[in-house]
Amino acid sequence: DSGVTQTPKHLITATGQRVTLRCSPRSGDLSVYWYQQSLDQGLQFLIQYYNGEERAKGNILERFSAQQFPDLHSELNLSSLELGDSALYFCASSGGDRDEKLFFGSGTQLSVL
Amino acid sequence: GQSLEQPSEVTAVEGAIVQINCTYQTSGFYGLSWYQQHDGGAPTFLSYNALDGLEETGRFSSFLSRSDSYGYLLLQELQMKDSASYFCAVKGQGGKLIFGQGTELSVKP
Repeated sequence: DSGVTQTPKHLITATGQRVTLRCSPRSGDLSVYWYQQSLDQGLQFLIQYYNGEERAKGNILERFSAQQFPDLHSELNLSSLELGDSALYFCASSGGDRDEKLFFGSGTQLSVL
Repeated sequence: GQSLEQPSEVTAVEGAIVQINCTYQTSGFYGLSWYQQHDGGAPTFLSYNALDGLEETGRFSSFLSRSDSYGYLLLQELQMKDSASYFCAVKGQGGKLIFGQGTELSVKP
Protein backbone atom coordinates (compact mmCIF):
# COMPACT_ATOMS: atom_id res chain seq x y z
CA ASP A 1 0.00 0.00 0.00
CA SER A 2 1.57 3.27 -1.20
CA GLY A 3 -0.50 5.46 1.08
CA VAL A 4 -2.08 7.27 -1.88
CA THR A 5 -5.85 6.84 -2.05
CA GLN A 6 -7.86 7.20 -5.22
CA THR A 7 -11.62 7.08 -5.53
CA PRO A 8 -13.58 5.68 -7.16
CA LYS A 9 -11.77 2.54 -8.32
CA HIS A 10 -14.10 2.11 -11.26
CA LEU A 11 -16.29 4.54 -13.11
CA ILE A 12 -18.63 3.82 -15.99
CA THR A 13 -20.29 6.70 -17.75
CA ALA A 14 -21.61 7.83 -21.11
CA THR A 15 -20.18 10.11 -23.77
CA GLY A 16 -20.74 13.78 -23.12
CA GLN A 17 -20.84 13.35 -19.36
CA ARG A 18 -18.59 14.87 -16.69
CA VAL A 19 -16.80 12.99 -13.94
CA THR A 20 -14.56 13.84 -11.01
CA LEU A 21 -11.71 11.67 -9.84
CA ARG A 22 -10.36 12.15 -6.35
CA CYS A 23 -6.92 11.63 -4.88
CA SER A 24 -5.59 11.84 -1.34
CA PRO A 25 -1.79 11.96 -1.21
CA ARG A 26 0.42 10.26 1.33
CA SER A 27 0.50 11.99 4.67
CA GLY A 28 2.98 14.85 4.48
CA ASP A 29 3.37 14.86 0.70
CA LEU A 30 2.87 18.23 -0.93
CA SER A 31 2.97 17.25 -4.62
CA VAL A 32 0.22 15.50 -6.51
CA TYR A 33 0.60 14.24 -10.07
CA TRP A 34 -2.02 12.93 -12.50
CA TYR A 35 -1.23 10.40 -15.21
CA GLN A 36 -3.38 8.74 -17.87
CA GLN A 37 -2.70 5.20 -19.04
CA SER A 38 -4.61 3.90 -22.03
CA LEU A 39 -4.68 0.21 -22.93
CA ASP A 40 -1.16 -1.13 -23.41
CA GLN A 41 0.23 2.37 -23.33
CA GLY A 42 2.69 4.20 -21.19
CA LEU A 43 1.87 6.69 -18.51
CA GLN A 44 0.98 10.05 -20.02
CA PHE A 45 1.72 12.97 -17.72
CA LEU A 46 -1.24 15.28 -17.31
CA ILE A 47 -0.51 17.76 -14.56
CA GLN A 48 1.32 18.35 -11.27
CA TYR A 49 0.33 20.42 -8.26
CA TYR A 50 2.58 21.43 -5.43
CA ASN A 51 1.09 22.77 -2.22
CA GLY A 52 -2.00 24.00 -4.00
CA GLU A 53 -0.28 25.57 -6.98
CA GLU A 54 0.02 24.21 -10.51
CA ARG A 55 3.66 23.24 -10.98
CA ALA A 56 3.89 21.50 -14.35
CA LYS A 57 1.53 20.73 -17.17
CA GLY A 58 1.62 17.98 -19.77
CA ASN A 59 -0.60 17.39 -22.77
CA ILE A 60 -3.77 17.77 -20.78
CA LEU A 61 -6.88 18.37 -22.85
CA GLU A 62 -8.83 21.57 -22.37
CA ARG A 63 -11.83 19.41 -21.39
CA PHE A 64 -9.80 18.24 -18.39
CA SER A 65 -9.02 20.32 -15.35
CA ALA A 66 -7.57 19.68 -11.94
CA GLN A 67 -7.01 21.38 -8.64
CA GLN A 68 -5.37 20.77 -5.30
CA PHE A 69 -7.22 21.85 -2.21
CA PRO A 70 -5.85 23.33 1.04
CA ASP A 71 -5.97 19.89 2.68
CA LEU A 72 -3.75 18.74 -0.25
CA HIS A 73 -6.20 16.33 -1.78
CA SER A 74 -6.67 16.74 -5.50
CA GLU A 75 -9.47 16.30 -7.99
CA LEU A 76 -9.29 15.69 -11.72
CA ASN A 77 -12.36 16.80 -13.63
CA LEU A 78 -13.07 15.31 -17.03
CA SER A 79 -15.89 16.83 -19.06
CA SER A 80 -17.59 16.27 -22.43
CA LEU A 81 -16.29 12.75 -22.23
CA GLU A 82 -15.40 10.85 -25.39
CA LEU A 83 -14.88 7.15 -26.00
CA GLY A 84 -11.15 7.78 -26.27
CA ASP A 85 -11.03 9.07 -22.71
CA SER A 86 -11.51 5.53 -21.45
CA ALA A 87 -8.32 4.79 -19.55
CA LEU A 88 -6.73 4.14 -16.19
CA TYR A 89 -6.09 7.41 -14.39
CA PHE A 90 -3.36 7.37 -11.78
CA CYS A 91 -2.60 9.85 -9.09
CA ALA A 92 0.82 9.95 -7.50
CA SER A 93 2.34 11.98 -4.72
CA SER A 94 5.76 12.98 -3.46
CA GLY A 95 7.14 15.13 -0.71
CA GLY A 96 8.74 17.88 -2.75
CA ASP A 97 8.11 19.47 -6.12
CA ARG A 98 11.01 17.85 -8.01
CA ASP A 99 11.17 14.38 -6.54
CA GLU A 100 12.21 11.41 -8.60
CA LYS A 101 10.38 8.88 -6.47
CA LEU A 102 6.65 9.03 -6.87
CA PHE A 103 4.14 6.97 -4.91
CA PHE A 104 1.22 5.89 -7.06
CA GLY A 105 -2.34 5.17 -6.09
CA SER A 106 -4.19 2.14 -7.43
CA GLY A 107 -5.88 4.18 -10.12
CA THR A 108 -9.38 4.87 -11.32
CA GLN A 109 -10.53 2.81 -14.29
CA LEU A 110 -12.76 5.04 -16.41
CA SER A 111 -14.98 3.47 -19.03
CA VAL A 112 -16.86 5.78 -21.38
CA LEU A 113 -19.64 4.00 -23.25
CA GLY B 1 10.33 17.87 -26.20
CA GLN B 2 11.03 14.63 -24.45
CA SER B 3 10.94 11.07 -25.77
CA LEU B 4 12.04 7.68 -24.53
CA GLU B 5 12.52 4.40 -26.36
CA GLN B 6 12.51 0.98 -24.80
CA PRO B 7 11.72 -2.48 -26.21
CA SER B 8 8.06 -3.41 -26.07
CA GLU B 9 8.61 -7.01 -24.94
CA VAL B 10 11.34 -9.14 -23.41
CA THR B 11 11.18 -12.82 -22.53
CA ALA B 12 13.57 -14.69 -20.24
CA VAL B 13 13.66 -17.84 -18.14
CA GLU B 14 13.61 -18.14 -14.39
CA GLY B 15 17.02 -17.69 -12.85
CA ALA B 16 18.44 -15.84 -15.84
CA ILE B 17 19.62 -12.25 -16.20
CA VAL B 18 17.80 -9.74 -18.39
CA GLN B 19 18.65 -6.20 -19.43
CA ILE B 20 16.02 -3.65 -20.45
CA ASN B 21 17.44 -0.72 -22.39
CA CYS B 22 16.18 2.82 -22.55
CA THR B 23 17.33 5.68 -24.74
CA TYR B 24 16.03 9.15 -24.22
CA GLN B 25 15.89 12.60 -25.73
CA THR B 26 15.11 15.53 -23.53
CA SER B 27 15.81 19.22 -23.26
CA GLY B 28 17.27 19.48 -19.81
CA PHE B 29 18.04 16.31 -17.92
CA TYR B 30 17.98 15.59 -14.22
CA GLY B 31 17.93 11.82 -14.06
CA LEU B 32 16.57 8.47 -15.22
CA SER B 33 14.12 6.47 -13.15
CA TRP B 34 12.70 2.97 -13.40
CA TYR B 35 9.25 1.81 -12.33
CA GLN B 36 7.59 -1.60 -12.21
CA GLN B 37 3.91 -2.22 -12.89
CA HIS B 38 2.09 -5.51 -12.45
CA ASP B 39 -1.04 -6.04 -14.60
CA GLY B 40 -2.41 -2.51 -14.50
CA GLY B 41 -1.68 -2.07 -10.83
CA ALA B 42 0.02 0.89 -9.24
CA PRO B 43 3.49 1.57 -10.66
CA THR B 44 6.18 1.25 -8.03
CA PHE B 45 9.55 2.98 -7.95
CA LEU B 46 12.61 0.80 -8.50
CA SER B 47 15.62 3.07 -8.95
CA TYR B 48 16.98 6.46 -9.94
CA ASN B 49 20.24 7.48 -11.59
CA ALA B 50 21.34 11.09 -11.74
CA LEU B 51 25.01 10.40 -12.41
CA ASP B 52 26.81 8.05 -14.76
CA GLY B 53 27.37 4.56 -13.51
CA LEU B 54 25.69 1.59 -11.94
CA GLU B 55 23.31 1.65 -8.97
CA GLU B 56 22.59 -1.69 -7.31
CA THR B 57 19.56 -2.52 -5.22
CA GLY B 58 19.36 -6.21 -4.45
CA ARG B 59 18.67 -8.23 -7.59
CA PHE B 60 18.02 -5.07 -9.59
CA SER B 61 20.65 -2.68 -10.93
CA SER B 62 20.31 0.43 -13.05
CA PHE B 63 22.89 2.06 -15.26
CA LEU B 64 23.15 5.49 -16.81
CA SER B 65 25.37 7.03 -19.45
CA ARG B 66 24.52 10.72 -19.79
CA SER B 67 26.84 11.20 -22.77
CA ASP B 68 25.00 8.45 -24.68
CA SER B 69 21.52 9.41 -23.39
CA TYR B 70 21.16 5.77 -22.48
CA GLY B 71 20.38 3.65 -19.51
CA TYR B 72 19.35 0.14 -18.63
CA LEU B 73 17.73 -1.89 -15.92
CA LEU B 74 19.38 -5.20 -15.09
CA LEU B 75 17.39 -7.89 -13.36
CA GLN B 76 19.30 -10.85 -11.99
CA GLU B 77 18.16 -14.23 -10.70
CA LEU B 78 14.82 -13.76 -12.39
CA GLN B 79 11.75 -14.97 -10.56
CA MET B 80 8.25 -15.57 -11.87
CA LYS B 81 7.03 -12.60 -9.83
CA ASP B 82 9.30 -10.32 -11.90
CA SER B 83 6.88 -10.72 -14.81
CA ALA B 84 5.59 -7.18 -15.17
CA SER B 85 5.92 -4.03 -17.21
CA TYR B 86 8.98 -1.90 -16.64
CA PHE B 87 9.01 1.80 -17.44
CA CYS B 88 11.94 4.15 -17.72
CA ALA B 89 11.21 7.79 -16.98
CA VAL B 90 13.14 11.02 -17.34
CA LYS B 91 12.82 14.21 -15.43
CA GLY B 92 13.54 16.97 -17.86
CA GLN B 93 12.83 20.60 -18.34
CA GLY B 94 10.18 21.91 -16.01
CA GLY B 95 10.65 18.98 -13.69
CA LYS B 96 8.05 16.82 -15.41
CA LEU B 97 8.53 13.07 -15.01
CA ILE B 98 7.89 11.58 -18.45
CA PHE B 99 7.52 7.81 -18.89
CA GLY B 100 8.43 5.55 -21.76
CA GLN B 101 5.92 3.17 -23.32
CA GLY B 102 7.05 0.32 -21.10
CA THR B 103 8.67 -3.09 -21.61
CA GLU B 104 6.61 -6.15 -20.84
CA LEU B 105 8.84 -8.78 -19.25
CA SER B 106 7.68 -12.37 -19.33
CA VAL B 107 9.56 -14.81 -17.14
CA LYS B 108 9.15 -18.44 -18.17
CA PRO B 109 9.75 -21.49 -15.97
